[in-house]
Amino acid sequence: GAVVSQHPSWVICKSGTSVKIECRSLDFQATTMFWYRQFPKQSLMLMATSNEGSKATYEQGVEKDKFLINHASLTLSTLTVTSAHPEDSSFYICSSQGVANQPQHFGDGTRLSIL
Amino acid sequence: AQKVTQAQTEISVVEKEDVTLDCVYETRDTTYYLFWYKQPPSGELVFLIRRNSFDEQNEISGRYSWNFQKSTSSFNFTITASQVVDSAVYFCALGDLGEYGNKLVFGAGTILRVKS
Repeated sequence: GAVVSQHPSWVICKSGTSVKIECRSLDFQATTMFWYRQFPKQSLMLMATSNEGSKATYEQGVEKDKFLINHASLTLSTLTVTSAHPEDSSFYICSSQGVANQPQHFGDGTRLSIL
Repeated sequence: AQKVTQAQTEISVVEKEDVTLDCVYETRDTTYYLFWYKQPPSGELVFLIRRNSFDEQNEISGRYSWNFQKSTSSFNFTITASQVVDSAVYFCALGDLGEYGNKLVFGAGTILRVKS
């Protein structure tokens, strides 16, 4: 069964809407969660790393005020795309990791379409 | 900087053919991880293998095999007797050994099409 649950799997909304994506670690406590973005027919790009109870670390070029990440518990991290615009349309995937250097487990991804 | 190159954008084979997907990486780290993931059309990432940079032994798992050559910074993936269900995008990734988790850098991916 799924080790990481990502919800919703598919979102369509109007420009200007804020969208929240949840990533839940089901079978273990996730010390670290990662958020990736994948544009159509492209590779996955790391957006940010979040550690439980601390501020997320964003990769260069990723707007932290645009992509709000909250990792309030060891089993839940959320990514909020604020005031989404069509260029934010993408496939967003989270992954969670328990102990460092153990394999990451990926969610099934969220397809976000902004009209 | 870390970088993963998958030079093959797309490969088409006929069922039962063997196919090798190439992966070349760059890193200044002496210790790192290498991964292969499969992404079917549905989008989820399917973990295939993780290899520690210390372990250069080749690995075989059913129809899948991996060849890790540290001297050439390559981690190639071979599918023997390919099947239509193998059609997907395959990503090679490089991971660091971070204290709080392993950041992954992905290659551009190789689209594999297996025709019946």
